[in-house]
Amino acid sequence: EVQLVESGGGLVQPGESLRLSCAASGFTFSSYAMNWVRQAPGKGLEWVSYISRSSSTIYYADSVKGRITISRDNAKNSLYLQMNSLRAEDTALYFCVRDRGYYDSSGYLFYFDYWGQGTLVTVSS
Amino acid sequence: DIQMTQSPSSLSASVGDRVTITCRASQSISNYLNWYQQKSGKVPKLLIYAASSLQSGVPSRFSGSGSGTDFTLTISSLQPEDFATYYCQQSYSTPLTFGGGTKVEIK
Repeated sequence: EVQLVESGGGLVQPGESLRLSCAASGFTFSSYAMNWVRQAPGKGLEWVSYISRSSSTIYYADSVKGRITISRDNAKNSLYLQMNSLRAEDTALYFCVRDRGYYDSSGYLFYFDYWGQGTLVTVSS
Repeated sequence: DIQMTQSPSSLSASVGDRVTITCRASQSISNYLNWYQQKSGKVPKLLIYAASSLQSGVPSRFSGSGSGTDFTLTISSLQPEDFATYYCQQSYSTPLTFGGGTKVEIK
């Protein structure tokens, strides 16, 4: 059974840092790209970041670029999100998400087939 | 960035109704469109990928269509467990973007 378990969330003050972790099990972690997606309280879904299987390709949303770093450790079956200079608008439930995407004739189609339960990040003074 | 606009933002329907949700992209995205269902307090669930491919285990009453800029998610006969919020997502280019969601409520 595929499991994605996030941890590391909490209450921090604006400007502080936080490191989120995601422990993956039930599948060959190194064979899948991964993403972070967040959801502010009562709001919709917002994609945050993508990392390829080998970490060779990384993408970020404009809203977090320069403040957030995604990484992974395939030996530990783990995904990470280092979040710096946190703002109130970063307050959200952060989901670790498996990417089941594939290449077709036009490019790479990302799609998210498994989601963790999320870890809540609250940025407030 | 590609903007995704869903309509309606909410709808009320009865069990057994046929329900259609529309998603429009701000530019052509070919068939790079996915649909997710999120029930209250739960994690999003993939329903449809590549505009019309049904994810394994998803009931066949769910279907997706469209290409280019206009897409639809159809529930052929609404069931009690289908009351939820539905999101479209474009995967044509980064940043990947979601629609604002359509909440399907009980009439």
